[in-house]
Amino acid sequence: QLQPQESGPGLVKPSETLSLTCTVSGGSVSSSSYYWGWIRQPPGEGLEWIGSIYNSGNTYYNPSLKSRVTISVDTSKNQFSLELNSVTAADTAVYFCARRPAMVVPRYYYDYWGQGTLVTVSP
Amino acid sequence: EIVLTQSPATLCLSPGERATLSCRASQSVSSSLGWYQQKPGQAPRLLIYDASNRATGIPARFSGSGSGTDFTLTISSLEPEDFAVYYCQQRSNWPITFGQGTRLEIK
Repeated sequence: QLQPQESGPGLVKPSETLSLTCTVSGGSVSSSSYYWGWIRQPPGEGLEWIGSIYNSGNTYYNPSLKSRVTISVDTSKNQFSLELNSVTAADTAVYFCARRPAMVVPRYYYDYWGQGTLVTVSP
Repeated sequence: EIVLTQSPATLCLSPGERATLSCRASQSVSSSLGWYQQKPGQAPRLLIYDASNRATGIPARFSGSGSGTDFTLTISSLEPEDFAVYYCQQRSNWPITFGQGTRLEIK
């Protein structure tokens, strides 16, 4: 059973960089069959797609966040990571990592999700 | 980007009743629309992909329909565990976008 798991600091100061890691068990982040992505959810609000990485190097970002986001993969640790710089209170959210099949159904929908981690931006 | 508008914002029904949730896209997404269920403190769970296909393990009481700009998620007979928030998501155009959600509450 595939299981993504987010980890990282729960508190980040304004103007600093938010860094999270997703460790994947039961599957390989280097597989060309899947995209690995990040989605966030501010408290009490809806879901916002942040971006994804495919085939260990091709990245896709939400234009609204593109100037501040970097997603990367560490195949040796079977992890992928999110960096979001110059954060403000508006970046306070639960951050989810998730898998999206590229070639098989449900193609291009997120079928396995981590439990999510709350990141608060505060001085 | 494509904006997805869900209605109603909140739906109050009783177990055993039929639920009909709507998602409207700001431009055509063909059949490239999915539905997720989210319970408090949990990650979303994929229910329906490509408008009408149930994801693995999803009960038959969940069904999806629609194409173009108008989509519907139907729960034929509500079970107690179905009361949650439901989101639609389009994969037709970058960036991927989600609707704002419909909260399904127990009457």
